[in-house]
Amino acid sequence: DGGITQSPKYLFRKEGQNVTLSCEQNLNHDAMYWYRQDPGQGLRLIYYSQIVNDFQKGDIAEGYSVSREKKESFPLTVTSAQKNPTAFYLCASSMGTGTVEYFGAGTRLSVL
Amino acid sequence: QKEVEQNSGPLSVPEGAIASLNCTYSDRGSQSFFWYRQYSGKSPELIMSIYSNGDKEDGRFTAQLNKASQYVSLLIRDSQPSDSATYLCAVRPNDYKLSFGAGTTVTVRA
Repeated sequence: DGGITQSPKYLFRKEGQNVTLSCEQNLNHDAMYWYRQDPGQGLRLIYYSQIVNDFQKGDIAEGYSVSREKKESFPLTVTSAQKNPTAFYLCASSMGTGTVEYFGAGTRLSVL
Repeated sequence: QKEVEQNSGPLSVPEGAIASLNCTYSDRGSQSFFWYRQYSGKSPELIMSIYSNGDKEDGRFTAQLNKASQYVSLLIRDSQPSDSATYLCAVRPNDYKLSFGAGTTVTVRA
């Protein structure tokens, strides 16, 4: 069953803590993306990766970090430097940059 | 100026009516345009993509693109209660980036 799997569905972060959101895809897509969605707002691009071992900053990369060691996986770490991390985080993938993007189910992050 | 602007809504239509959603974009070089549907608490799902000027129909959905006016719209015919959702307009101004509007919330009244 092909798709994009994000975990966990809900995540709570304590003050000063780093947390990592998982994103795995079995669609054999080359490109992967991380977006953040705040209530009543559109999606904003955090990071994207076009190929393994390469990634670029999006519009709001400060306070976040990523890695792309495998084609299937693109984890996002929300660091303690991100002062307002509460949001809905969406991972997406596409066959390549410039093609249609498909989304995972999302991770909802809250601050304790 | 926002890259992608949509009517904020909410848009309320009776069941069976046509819902019309509008979207304008700022980058004249944009080549790809998408409509995503997002149910409350869920992730966006692609419902339409359009790349050329004119209309594109898929079932009850019709996307319309006018690049000269930098305008893209979505029509939902014979609206059903299951169409109640937020509709996101997305525009690709370059190869890597997809810019999203804030979305228009549609409520279909039974």
